[in-house]
Amino acid sequence: QKEVEQNSGPLSVPEGAIASLNCTYSDRGSQSFFWYRQYSGKSPELIMSIYSNGDKEDGRFTAQLNKASQYVSLLIRDSQPSDSATYLCAVWEAGTALIFGKGTTLSVSS
Amino acid sequence: GAVVSQHPSWVICKSGTSVKIECRSLDFQATTMFWYRQFPKQSLMLMATSNEGSKATYEQGVEKDKFLINHASLTLSTLTVTSAHPEDSSFYICSARDGASGGGYEQYFGPGTRLTVT
Repeated sequence: QKEVEQNSGPLSVPEGAIASLNCTYSDRGSQSFFWYRQYSGKSPELIMSIYSNGDKEDGRFTAQLNKASQYVSLLIRDSQPSDSATYLCAVWEAGTALIFGKGTTLSVSS
Repeated sequence: GAVVSQHPSWVICKSGTSVKIECRSLDFQATTMFWYRQFPKQSLMLMATSNEGSKATYEQGVEKDKFLINHASLTLSTLTVTSAHPEDSSFYICSARDGASGGGYEQYFGPGTRLTVT
């Protein structure tokens, strides 16, 4: 059974701090890795994708991938109250549907 | 960025009737589309995967005769909930995979349809 594990949280950080969200996956054949943000009552929104080991930066977001450790993370710099949401880690392997973690709830206090 | 639309955004129907939900990829061709269901405060649950021009593949426990999926073109998939019951009330979300997204096969979600069966 392929699994994606996330700490459900809530992860609470003050405004302006760095929020660090972590995810591990079980299948070494996984090829693509995604982070989605989901606000309450809304559908998921793709915010980052990463395919190779290392870091990928996009604005305040940095995704980090370590395939040897089967670990992917998302860093949010200068966290804002508007970043408060549930963050879903998703993993893809050819021929399969995305496998989602259960999500980590982030709360940014002003 | 890639845009997926879904219609209607919310619907209320009487028990025993059928409801059709449309999902369209607006600016890319989606060879594969997915239908999810999400109950309040719970995780996304994949219901089925559909490829253009072929029958949908349903996840275990999802009744294919109750949730009819048609993927008639590269930009349109429909989900019909037949003989709806109150327990079918949920948030239904479609998703489309952009096969041209640099090999990463990024998947984009529609805004969702909130179904309430009375």
